[in-house]
Amino acid sequence: QVQLVESGGGLVKPGGSLRLSCAVSGFTFSDYYMSWIRQAPGKGLEWVSYISTSGSTIYYADSVKGRFTISRDNAKNSLYLQMNSLRAEDTAVYYCTTLHFYGMDIWGQGTTVTVSS
Amino acid sequence: QSALTQPASVSGSPGQSITISCTGTSSDVGGYNYVSWYQQHPGKAPKLMIYEVSNRPSGVSNRFSGSKSGNTASLTVSGLQAEDEADYYCSSYTSSSTLVFGGGTKLTVL
Repeated sequence: QVQLVESGGGLVKPGGSLRLSCAVSGFTFSDYYMSWIRQAPGKGLEWVSYISTSGSTIYYADSVKGRFTISRDNAKNSLYLQMNSLRAEDTAVYYCTTLHFYGMDIWGQGTTVTVSS
Repeated sequence: QSALTQPASVSGSPGQSITISCTGTSSDVGGYNYVSWYQQHPGKAPKLMIYEVSNRPSGVSNRFSGSKSGNTASLTVSGLQAEDEADYYCSSYTSSSTLVFGGGTKLTVL
C-alpha cells in the first residue's frame, strides 16, 4: 500500500545537524513533487520546502533558507532533508508529503526533532 | 511569507453546517486556484480534504466542500458529525512559488 515513512529525528544541540529521510513505497516516487512540512509542539502546520520530480526545482521557507537542504534519490525512492545550524525554534514533528497540484495529498507519520542543550 | 488568516475556532451542532474562512492576498489565495484544506485529529498526521479550491480527493465525504471569492477561500462542512471535530488548516501556493498555511481552526461539534 501507499506509504511514506520518515526517520532520522532525535535530540540535537543548538547549532547541530540532522538528516531526515523519507522512504516511499506503493507508488511511483519519481512521478511526484515532494515536500517537507513541520509542526512545532502545540502549534500549526508550517511548510518547509518542496522539490520537483527531477530535483531541478527547489523552494524553501524563509525560516530555513540557507540552513536546510532538500534532496531526493529516485532510484532509492527516498526524500531527504539535511538540517544544519539547528535552532530551538526548529523543534517540531517533521512530515514528508507528496505534492499534487500544490496540495499535500499523502503524508507520513512524522519524525520528531528536538533542539535543546 | 505571512500566514493565511483563519478563525481560531468554530462550532456547530450535529447535522448543522459550518464554514471556515481562509483569508490571504492577491499574491496567494486570490491569485491562484491552488488552495487546499487539511483535517487533523489530535496526535495524527493531517489529511487532505480539498485541493485546487474545490476538488475532493477520492474517499473524502461529499459533506466537505470548498470555494473561493477574491482573496478568501472557504471550507464548508455540512451535516456535521462528531467525527468532524478536529483542527482544519488551509494552504495556498504563492507568487514566490512557495506555499503558505493558515494558522488553523479548531472545529468543535457541540
